[in-house]
Amino acid sequence: NAGVTQTPKFQVLKTGQSMTLQCAQDMNHNSMYWYRQDPGMGLRLIYYSASEGTTDKGEVPNGYNVSRLNKREFSLRLESAAPSQTSVYFCASSGTGESLNEKLFFGSGTQLSVL
Amino acid sequence: GNSVTQMEGPVTLSEEAFLTINCTYTATGYPSLFWYVQYPGEGLQLLLKATKADDKGSNKGFEATYRKETTSFHLEKGSVQVSDSAVYFCALRGGGNKLTFGTGTQLKVEL
Repeated sequence: NAGVTQTPKFQVLKTGQSMTLQCAQDMNHNSMYWYRQDPGMGLRLIYYSASEGTTDKGEVPNGYNVSRLNKREFSLRLESAAPSQTSVYFCASSGTGESLNEKLFFGSGTQLSVL
Repeated sequence: GNSVTQMEGPVTLSEEAFLTINCTYTATGYPSLFWYVQYPGEGLQLLLKATKADDKGSNKGFEATYRKETTSFHLEKGSVQVSDSAVYFCALRGGGNKLTFGTGTQLKVEL
């Protein structure tokens, strides 16, 4: 009963380093999302993928890239990390039978610190 | 654009107290409204939703009524438990199908 699985759970990077956050869902959902959560700011959408083979920018896409590898997996890449990208990152998915964004299932998050 | 405003926390209550967490929104058209809950160390999960005016969403003893005239969707529970301690997010889905979240309200329930 895994749901949405994110890796890693914690990561510390130096400014300028790159890394990829991995996300996989086992619910056969069409849509997947990446959010960041910052104190006092709520959740903000970085990128989303409405279906396999498509990706679209969200509210705060600068400094990030995504890949929808297949229906199950949606990765988020930081090419050159900056301290402003210190945040908690959440992957989410939503189901085929639901309207887009109607009910999201979230992973447990990745806490990223950029020094 | 769309926005959601929640009361700031933390809200600290004694067990069995009545809970209200205020949420108001700004949106064009007729958005769907949601409450999500985030327990410590976990991702968010949908608590309840309402898709049209005067609808009441309910789950696990929590309720919220979609009030279009006051653009509000306040979360209420008659008797909170320690296990309800979490962060609660109000959200709306408007035009373009994007979810807009509020900043979250932390609830602490003490014995």
